[in-house]
Amino acid sequence: GAGVSQSPSNKVTEKGKDVELRCDPISGHTALYWYRQRLGQGLEFLIYFQGNSAPDKSGLPSDRFSAERTGESVSTLTIQRTQQEDSAVYLCASSLVRQVGEKLFFGSGTQLSVL
Amino acid sequence: EDQVTQSPEALRLQEGESSSLNCSYTVSGLRGLFWYRQDPGKGPEFLFTLYSAGEEKEKERLKATLTKKESFLHITAPKPEDSATYLCAVQAQQAGTALIFGKGTTLSVSS
Repeated sequence: GAGVSQSPSNKVTEKGKDVELRCDPISGHTALYWYRQRLGQGLEFLIYFQGNSAPDKSGLPSDRFSAERTGESVSTLTIQRTQQEDSAVYLCASSLVRQVGEKLFFGSGTQLSVL
Repeated sequence: EDQVTQSPEALRLQEGESSSLNCSYTVSGLRGLFWYRQDPGKGPEFLFTLYSAGEEKEKERLKATLTKKESFLHITAPKPEDSATYLCAVQAQQAGTALIFGKGTTLSVSS
């Protein structure tokens, strides 16, 4: 596709429910990143994929958060038993390769609201 | 601890009124400093990467500079379409792949 696509664009859920957020990176981009942006806060790194493996999961805030990537393409971020503090914009980014200075291409994000 | 601080949080300018945004950083070995622009409801859009003190990069009305402790994003004769949130991020040697972002400066330019 022309850019990084994320779905849904908005998700409202009840506390305790599980949610899945999807990211379609730019075709051919091997590196994929998930970030979280809380209101008034900077972007917070969650996880990085190189191909289908995740060498850096250091930003996942708890074991309720998990992510996978298949076919070196689509990635899904799953949040189990959602809490109100999970409310944020979840951003996905991809890059052609992983190297210093490599620019990231971001999607428009999924706005998650946990009631 | 690696840290990025941006100032001011918000900046209002009149069209044509030049100014600068600041990004102060504390990192254990800088591998790169990045500037991104973010419009409401959109993801950040890449502007510049700077690697070493003294480096400068320009794009249209924007110029980014880098010292050993901070970076400036200079905006010359801004237009209303320059209104956005400008994000600074660093890639540190010990941070692996993760970019560490500041909270951003929200710029509003009125005509």
